Amino acid sequence: NAGVTQTPKFRVLKTGQSMTLLCAQDMNHEYMYWYRQDPGMGLRLIHYSVGEGTTAKGEVPDGYNVSRLKKQNFLLGLESAAPSQTSVYFCASSRGLAGGPGEQFFGPGTRLTVL
Amino acid sequence: KNQVEQSPQSLIILEGKNCTLQCNYTVSPFSNLRWYKQDTGRGPVSLTIMTFSENTKSNGRYTATLDADTKQSSLHITASQLSDSASYICVVSEYGNNRLAFGKGNQVVVIP
Repeated sequence: NAGVTQTPKFRVLKTGQSMTLLCAQDMNHEYMYWYRQDPGMGLRLIHYSVGEGTTAKGEVPDGYNVSRLKKQNFLLGLESAAPSQTSVYFCASSRGLAGGPGEQFFGPGTRLTVL
Repeated sequence: KNQVEQSPQSLIILEGKNCTLQCNYTVSPFSNLRWYKQDTGRGPVSLTIMTFSENTKSNGRYTATLDADTKQSSLHITASQLSDSASYICVVSEYGNNRLAFGKGNQVVVIP
């Protein structure tokens, strides 16, 4: 099992460019998440999905869009990148349990720099 | 105000020594609390999960405690090793919905 994989690992964008980050999981998890991690801020939830075809906003959704067309994939899009979106992006997946999300399994991260 | 507060923000300890990290939360209703370890440049990995009825749980040299009455948890590292250098993140799950509250992490540096 590969677990959670993220593509690409690194990317440099110019302001105004667009890009898509791909997350894939092979654990048949219902829930998937996108986080950003900045120094001193901890992990902040951007968007999440509780199942194929569903998405929801997290704590910091502005400037990002997501899609979950297949259960195993969760895409994060930046339509017009801004320097404030320079960050490390983590994808995670988990089972959905009665009381809430189960243990989250994280990908290795994508380091994005917007110039 | 963050629903999960961790202290100390960072600490340096000598190899072989013990340390304790604190996590205070206000999340309610409470479902569970997890401690994650995040090595530099990697994604977080779960160490322990504590539910309402559990007071102590161990994972090797890591021991987590939970006091659901005072809404406090601690993570104790015994006989620290250089590989324990990492950020330790406390994550609290709210019962009945999909909300997770993250602490900002305790940065631990173990020196020889």
